[in-house]
Amino acid sequence: AQKVTQAQTEISVVEKEDVTLDCVYETRDTTYYLFWYKQPPSGELVFLIRRNSFDEQNEISGRYSWNFQKSTSSFNFTITASQVVDSAVYFCALRAAYLDSNYQLIWGAGTKLIIKP
Amino acid sequence: KAGVTQTPRYLIKTRGQQVTLSCSPISGHRSVSWYQQTPGQGLQFLFEYFSETQRNKGNFPGRFSGRQFSNSRSEMNVSTLELGDSALYLCASSLSESETGGLPRQETQYFGPGTRLLVL
Repeated sequence: AQKVTQAQTEISVVEKEDVTLDCVYETRDTTYYLFWYKQPPSGELVFLIRRNSFDEQNEISGRYSWNFQKSTSSFNFTITASQVVDSAVYFCALRAAYLDSNYQLIWGAGTKLIIKP
Repeated sequence: KAGVTQTPRYLIKTRGQQVTLSCSPISGHRSVSWYQQTPGQGLQFLFEYFSETQRNKGNFPGRFSGRQFSNSRSEMNVSTLELGDSALYLCASSLSESETGGLPRQETQYFGPGTRLLVL
């Protein structure tokens, strides 16, 4: 069965601190995709990144970086020099790659990130 | 390019009524998926439509149904509303392909702002 675990329910840091959001997943598929989405108070889920299981290269986008480690089934997300605007709920999600698999997004419970000024 | 739009944004209904929610995908996107988000259950997949056909379905009762039109717009219907149906309903669209014999589907889902449904 597929499962995504975000063990951190809520994280609170002071602005400019670095913060890492953890994501651990379970799947029997050999090819799959991992995603991070941001949900601000307005409710809309904003796509941040997609990572293919066959590409373990880490990625950096501005203040955001992602560390994908297939050996530990983790896909962690780090925000460097956090800002108040980063305050949101962040979701990690998993999806199989092939239509004959369980082709739906499997979501973690989300981590609420609070950045204090 | 305009994003995913959902109407209405807010809705208040009473138990036993039915409701129809609408979703317009990003232009050119052919797949529409629906999700329910509640504080207790989190994000749960309802169903996915592609080319006017339901391609995937989550574990929801038959009161939840949907359809997709030829222009890829989708509607979701909930009949005989229950208090537990109060939730944020999110629609996502993706640039999808038809089944291509085992090739991986790499598309990303882009979400609309959601419809907040309150059942009294």
